[in-house]
Amino acid sequence: AQSVAQPEDQVNVAEGNPLTVKCTYSVSGNPYLFWYVQYPNRGLQFLLKYITGDNLVKGSYGFEAEFNKSQTSFHLKKPSALVSDSALYFCAVRVNTGGFKTIFGAGTRLFVKA
Amino acid sequence: DADVTQTPRNRITKTGKRIMLECSQTKGHDRMYWYRQDPGLGLRLIYYSFDVKDINKGEISDGYSVSRQAQAKFSLSLESAIPNQTALYFCATSDTASGSGANVLTFGAGSRLTVL
Repeated sequence: AQSVAQPEDQVNVAEGNPLTVKCTYSVSGNPYLFWYVQYPNRGLQFLLKYITGDNLVKGSYGFEAEFNKSQTSFHLKKPSALVSDSALYFCAVRVNTGGFKTIFGAGTRLFVKA
Repeated sequence: DADVTQTPRNRITKTGKRIMLECSQTKGHDRMYWYRQDPGLGLRLIYYSFDVKDINKGEISDGYSVSRQAQAKFSLSLESAIPNQTALYFCATSDTASGSGANVLTFGAGSRLTVL
């Protein structure tokens, strides 16, 4: 079955430290991978995506993600965390079952402490 | 104005009542989706529509129905609401065109539904 997994419910990091939010996937064919962020009382916002090309993808707000085909991972990273990065982060993958659609991981809550 | 607008933003109802959640978009996108968010489960797809004449069931369509009234409007109905349909519901859109925006979902702010 095609799926996406976020193994950590919560990630805690101190402001100024690097952060990583993990994501692994299982899809047939070449994956289209995405990260979205949800701030309180808001809808999800697109951060970045990997379709093809360079394995390191840069996105909004200083975030980047590294695609690793052998490990089927797409971890979200930021070199220096901000308190304002505290939010719920979702990894997602496009699948082709009855037409292309996007499925989401369970989400990882990021807490950045000042 | 928001690109994707959902109404109502909050609704409390009773078991057995019929509820409609509405979604309208100004993105000009062909594709529209309804997702449900529950804590610890992420977003699960309820229904999706690739154009006005196309409606497809997602992973959790039981107990729900949809209507695509126009390219810009996609409504979700609960014919007889039950407590386990208490959740945060999101409408989203995406473009069919190629380019940097392809496959990216644009979400509404969400509709919080409580069924007592």
